Amino acid sequence: QVQLQQSGAELVKPGSSVKISCKASGYTFTSYDMHWIKQQPGNGLEWIGWIYPGNGNTKYNQKFNGKATLTADKSSSTAYMQLSSLTSEDSAVYFCARQWRYYFDYWGQGVMVTVSS
Amino acid sequence: DIQMTQSPASLSASLGETVTIQCQASEDIYSGLAWYQQKPGKSPQLLIYGASSLQDGVPSRFSGSGSGTQYSLKISSMQTEDEGVYFCQQGLKYPRTFGGGTKLELK
Repeated sequence: QVQLQQSGAELVKPGSSVKISCKASGYTFTSYDMHWIKQQPGNGLEWIGWIYPGNGNTKYNQKFNGKATLTADKSSSTAYMQLSSLTSEDSAVYFCARQWRYYFDYWGQGVMVTVSS
Repeated sequence: DIQMTQSPASLSASLGETVTIQCQASEDIYSGLAWYQQKPGKSPQLLIYGASSLQDGVPSRFSGSGSGTQYSLKISSMQTEDEGVYFCQQGLKYPRTFGGGTKLELK
């Protein structure tokens, strides 16, 4: 069965960077776009971008250009998102999600990132 | 960007009651719409895609309809397990955008 297993919660200092992971199993990792989505406490969902693990192509929400960097490792079926120059506005839960048609059919469990000194 | 506006922001329903949630897009999205359910501490689950197609494994009491800029999600008979937050999402253009969510509680 399809599973997306994300890394654990992160507590990081302002100005630093963090890299979170999303390990895929149960399907051909290189055949589906992987998306990343942000959810701040009490807020809705915000799309960050996608990566196609088959060739590394990416597309970002303009709002996250320079903030998020998406990569993928085909050998381990793992997608990564690095967030840089962190501020309190980056404190949120971050989900990876597999694209199916134009939607998201499988989601990771989410990673809570807390930015605090 | 396409703006997605959901209404109401919250509602409560009794067991067996019919519930309807609305989603309006800022431009025609040609039925490129999905609905998700999110329970506390969990990730969203896809319920409806293409505005009206039921995702595998989703109970048939859920249905979606609409076209152009106006869409709705209906739960025909509210159950305890239907409590949660519901989001719509447009799949027509990038950036993908979501509605603000509707919190559904059992009365």
